[in-house]
Amino acid sequence: QKEVEQNSGPLSVPEGAIASLNCTYSDRVSQSFFWYRQYSGKSPELIMSIYSNGDKEDGRFTAQLNKASQYVSLLIRDSQPSDSATYLCAVRAEYGNKLVFGAGTILRVKS
Amino acid sequence: EAQVTQNPRYLITVTGKKLTVTCSQNMNHEYMSWYRQDPGLGLRQIYYSMNVEVTDKGDVPEGYKVSRKEKRNFPLILESPSPNQTSLYFCASMGRGGDTQYFGPGTRLTVL
Repeated sequence: QKEVEQNSGPLSVPEGAIASLNCTYSDRVSQSFFWYRQYSGKSPELIMSIYSNGDKEDGRFTAQLNKASQYVSLLIRDSQPSDSATYLCAVRAEYGNKLVFGAGTILRVKS
Repeated sequence: EAQVTQNPRYLITVTGKKLTVTCSQNMNHEYMSWYRQDPGLGLRQIYYSMNVEVTDKGDVPEGYKVSRKEKRNFPLILESPSPNQTSLYFCASMGRGGDTQYFGPGTRLTVL
């Protein structure tokens, strides 16, 4: 079983819709959770971090965490073609700096 | 400008020819790490360093070496590259107590 799992997609949504990206993780002691965006041919960039159960909003992005279900999600409201990218879920254990990444979900926003 | 740089950005080489990919950061970060990215497998950690002269293996260290003699530099060494090391490599750094890993632009390596 992979430590961090994501649906590879592609997930296709129309412009202006809500895109919902999901991630599950296997290590129950994980404490920190991150969403990175990676455009084709570019390096990953951090867009959201979340540490406690519930929702965290930043502009059009909302991260949701449910530690009991070992589930973290990213919602993108009012999706734009510029949001088309691969979204990587990353999890950090209780101690240390190691990040474990999922394989990523490809998002395509159609205008 | 705060950044992580990698060189070269693209490299095609042959099996067994030693190579080094350099990584440098100008943010005075303690933590540095190397990842490889392969289709369907995501980013996998090769080696990491908590500070100068402190390095440790990640999940896929076989066939790689690193050194951390200066805080800003963290080179990745392939002593005898093989075709299964063909991949996209990223260096990343993070400050003490921080949560954001800053990634370099990537190095696309092809081993023939």
